[in-house]
Amino acid sequence: DTEVTQTPKHLVMGMTNKKSLKCEQHMGHRAMYWYKQKAKKPPELMFVYSYEKLSINESVPSRFSPECPNSSLLNLHLHALQPEDSALYLCASTGGRYNEQFFGPGTRLTVL
Amino acid sequence: AQTVTQSQPEMSVQEAETVTLSCTYDTSESDYYLFWYKQPPSRQMILVIRQEAYKQQNATENRFSVNFQKAAKSFSLKISDSQLGDAAMYFCAYKKISGGYNKLIFGAGTRLAVHP
Repeated sequence: DTEVTQTPKHLVMGMTNKKSLKCEQHMGHRAMYWYKQKAKKPPELMFVYSYEKLSINESVPSRFSPECPNSSLLNLHLHALQPEDSALYLCASTGGRYNEQFFGPGTRLTVL
Repeated sequence: AQTVTQSQPEMSVQEAETVTLSCTYDTSESDYYLFWYKQPPSRQMILVIRQEAYKQQNATENRFSVNFQKAAKSFSLKISDSQLGDAAMYFCAYKKISGGYNKLIFGAGTRLAVHP
């Protein structure tokens, strides 16, 4: 299995809702990432988990809350988001000889 | 700090022709990786090709090859025999090797259109 999966593919939520994004990989990678990507822009790093511990938080607002329940699973909990948080959210994991990043297909989030 | 520059926001190519996408970077490191990622309208970022800085030989993956000029800090991507499925956003990315966790530094991207 050489892929990163993400659910859901699309999510529409109101500013008062609580929702979660899920990411899973079964490649044995020990580092997992959340990125935010706006249209026609490169991905922006949000969080990095290494060996199930949060190692990087790129000054992300607390309305985004990451969680890594085990080495294969990464969640992003969303609460009280703003319309400007609407974006594509990408998950990635790192591994292999070249320590390269493998990306999931993303979740398209719309905040109304 | 490391930076990656893609100076061509958009490029176009005729099917079956060859196109070259430019990328330059700035770093004081001697050892690092360089990558080209493709992101089609389906959104998934796919690794196209990688280059290790210590290797002089340019990487090649089927129709994709790079021209890596370490002294000039240039890393261009050549796509030969372009196909309609090559239409996508292409991101150049840099990652240093030493010193623990190192994040990917992306360029702004080049949107490639392929015309039949």
